[in-house]
Amino acid sequence: DIQLTQSPSFLSASVGDRVTITCRASQGISSYLAWYQQKPLKAPKLVIYTASTLQSGVPSRFSGSGSGTEFTLTISSLQPEDFATYYCQQLNSFPRSFGQGTKLEI
Amino acid sequence: QLQLQESGSGLVKPSQTLSLTCAVSGGSISSGDYSWSWIRQPPGKGLEWMGYIYYRGTTYYNPSLKSRVTISIDKSKNQFSLKLSSVTAADTAVYYCAREVLGSGSFDHWGQGTLVTVSS
Repeated sequence: DIQLTQSPSFLSASVGDRVTITCRASQGISSYLAWYQQKPLKAPKLVIYTASTLQSGVPSRFSGSGSGTEFTLTISSLQPEDFATYYCQQLNSFPRSFGQGTKLEI
Repeated sequence: QLQLQESGSGLVKPSQTLSLTCAVSGGSISSGDYSWSWIRQPPGKGLEWMGYIYYRGTTYYNPSLKSRVTISIDKSKNQFSLKLSSVTAADTAVYYCAREVLGSGSFDHWGQGTLVTVSS
């Protein structure tokens, strides 16, 4: 099974900051990585797929990069609505797996 | 617009079987472009993918759940279902159904989630 490790697990930032979250896979997953945003008591929302493709309707301040085993999610200028927990997920092989999450706090 | 809606019992006794259904509206569950998954999240914890089903009936389950999980599909009702047997308190979680876009590597639509509590 493929393990995904996110860093950091907690991130404190301010409105307007640029932040980067990293996701490392235990083996190569090509570009089959997605990022999700989850707010309290809500279902996860797709932000980025195939490592760097922005989901329709997601603001362009979100971007993703990477391939193989190391990936990043960057938010260029944090807005109040961006404070949430972010998860990476691999869809290269079964079982699908998620990172442990990164909680982005004000 | 595609919508997924989970339904089922919110309270299950230990050792019994948890049963949930995901109704899909605004799109066909029989499309060959997608698969349909169940994902769960214990309170305050992360996400665990449980398994998926393809419209032809092909399934794959997370080995961590061993032989306790069964996912089925009812194309006539445009819905798919989850059964998890021999539940314990560790199975208490919010259960989500979601659609995976094959080839693009993403779960693009999710249900709102339903909390299932395992307790006597």
